[in-house]
Amino acid sequence: ETGVTQSPTHLIKTRGQQVTLRCSSQSGHNTVSWYQQALGQGPQFIFQYYREEENGRGNFPPRFSGLQFPNYSSELNVNALELDDSALYLCASSPDRGSQPQHFGDGTRLSIL
Amino acid sequence: EDQVTQSPEALRLQEGESSSLNCSYTVSGLRGLFWYRQDPGKGPEFLFTLYSAGEEKEKERLKATLTKKESFLHITAPKPEDSATYLCAVQTNFGNEKLTFGTGTRLTIIP
Repeated sequence: ETGVTQSPTHLIKTRGQQVTLRCSSQSGHNTVSWYQQALGQGPQFIFQYYREEENGRGNFPPRFSGLQFPNYSSELNVNALELDDSALYLCASSPDRGSQPQHFGDGTRLSIL
Repeated sequence: EDQVTQSPEALRLQEGESSSLNCSYTVSGLRGLFWYRQDPGKGPEFLFTLYSAGEEKEKERLKATLTKKESFLHITAPKPEDSATYLCAVQTNFGNEKLTFGTGTRLTIIP
């Protein structure tokens, strides 16, 4: 059974740029959630996708957007990058919208210069 | 607003010295409480789910318990490989799997 995989593992961008992060969910999982984890903090919920539709969103501005594809993989897009966007971005998948637990990938470390 | 508070922020123990980590929560309606372990540079690894007060779960040297206001993660005779950050999270919404996390307890076991 393949776990959650994320790419790239590390990324360096400058302020104002745009970035796309990718996530392949665990086999058989149709729900994907994205979290932002700043250094020394717990993960914060960005949004969740279920069967290609957004199914809940946290307190993040519209410049954070996402997609889920028919194979249930997902992308997180961030426009107009700010210094505070520097963080570990985690993707988690689960078998269905109402099921737990969520299984996390190892994240993408995004640094904004 | 749902809140999760973990204490202590950091804990250093000698190998074999048992202790407990605390997770207190204030939520509108708890559907589940989750414990995760996170190693440096890695994503959180699932440990336990607890659903109702009085419930207990065990795995090797770890035992998680739940009351109506808090959860404890008890670590018995820890080994250096138990060193990690332990995260507590709650789920409150039906149909939306949003997890609200605490800031974690950084545990160091000294050989």
